Amino acid sequence: DAKTTQPTSMDCAEGRAANLPCNHSTISGNEYVYWYRQIHSQGPQYIIHGLKNNETNEMASLIITEDRKSSTLILPHATLRDTAVYYCIVRPSHNTDKLIFGTGTRLQVFP
Amino acid sequence: DARVTQTPRHKVTEMGQEVTMRCQPILGHNTVFWYRQTMMQGLELLAYFRNRAPLDDSGMPKDRFSAEMPDATLATLKIQPSEPRDSAVYFCASGFGQATDTQYFGPGTRLTVL
Repeated sequence: DAKTTQPTSMDCAEGRAANLPCNHSTISGNEYVYWYRQIHSQGPQYIIHGLKNNETNEMASLIITEDRKSSTLILPHATLRDTAVYYCIVRPSHNTDKLIFGTGTRLQVFP
Repeated sequence: DARVTQTPRHKVTEMGQEVTMRCQPILGHNTVFWYRQTMMQGLELLAYFRNRAPLDDSGMPKDRFSAEMPDATLATLKIQPSEPRDSAVYFCASGFGQATDTQYFGPGTRLTVL
């Protein structure tokens, strides 16, 4: 299975963009990149996913490099409520439901 | 606003007792997942169902854990007998489709086994 590498923690000032990197150098051609986050004492929450093209939704943008070996989740205007652990997950295959969560990046948004 | 619900939210029990955790998936979702989260192991998939049939329970300790879906609106995770090492937060999640893109998580059941 492809594995991901994320920084353990990051800080971001409120109102600024938060850019969370993820390395997945062994990703296969049919594997998707998913991002979830977990706010303290809550269940994980889906944010976004993509295969090779950049994606944007109401929560965030996902930028995947052309070689697909890394990606960046962008929260364009971080708020205090975005403080959470962010998980970058490479899905083993499109025909499975399994999501294997790593240790994620703990994002602290400060005033 | 459709949500996954889990009961109880907190459970404290003594070693050896039976524990049953319940999950109500989002109406219309056909896939239900059970996860366990601890500080040491992080978030682990225990088992999941599609259309009430178990698809994968390879992450679940077979000797004491069991998971079922009595009907489409209820999933249960049972531990018998419980042990202190089972102390964790147990999350249920639901989704729809053959390869579920989005899993919607419940608030979790925090289990403490003394």
